[in-house]
Amino acid sequence: EPEVTQTPSHQVTQMGQEVILRCVPISNHLYFYWYRQILGQKVEFLVSFYNNEISEKSEIFDDQFSVERPDGSNFTLKIRSTKLEDSAMYFCASNSGNYGYTFGSGTRLTVV
Amino acid sequence: AQSVTQPDIHITVSEGASLELRCNYSYGATPYLFWYVQSPGQGLQLLLKYFSGDTLVQGIKGFEAEFKRSQSSFNLRKPSVHWSDAAEYFCAVGAPNNNNDMRFGAGTRLTVKP
Repeated sequence: EPEVTQTPSHQVTQMGQEVILRCVPISNHLYFYWYRQILGQKVEFLVSFYNNEISEKSEIFDDQFSVERPDGSNFTLKIRSTKLEDSAMYFCASNSGNYGYTFGSGTRLTVV
Repeated sequence: AQSVTQPDIHITVSEGASLELRCNYSYGATPYLFWYVQSPGQGLQLLLKYFSGDTLVQGIKGFEAEFKRSQSSFNLRKPSVHWSDAAEYFCAVGAPNNNNDMRFGAGTRLTVKP
């Protein structure tokens, strides 16, 4: 069964530092997403990416965030100048179309 | 944009009892509807989905859900709960013509009593 792979599984960073969360989507999928889940809260949509550009983003996804698909296989989420409230589980997902979503197992980001 | 509400934050049932988790959606047409389960520290696993056709959908692990257009609901059911079903359950809604973007409800945490 093809998987979406996320690395690292857990990252601890100091407030104000930049982090890059990495994802390897399923190879023939066309749509890519980042979702965030603050501990004990709901899963929140951050951004969707299609055809090498952002197709939709939420109000959470401000200038602090950026996404990239640098080499045709990786899909990254960069968070600049991290804040304590950025601590959350970040899920990557890819989609073959028609809502064939596959989620990764997440990266837990802890900002201290 | 589409949205979904899960009215129950936490539900406790006894092992062997039946279960129904509520989900209501908001969307102008027939949406795509999903139920996901998340065990502690784990990712999201798809239980079942509804796109069209038969409004009663069967999923994995003995779960089913029924789409009721008149009530804008997609409640998840299981006739007999097992202790291993304890987890967080998320209902999600997608808009068929919206880049495949999906929105999640706040989740319902299920506790199973022995």
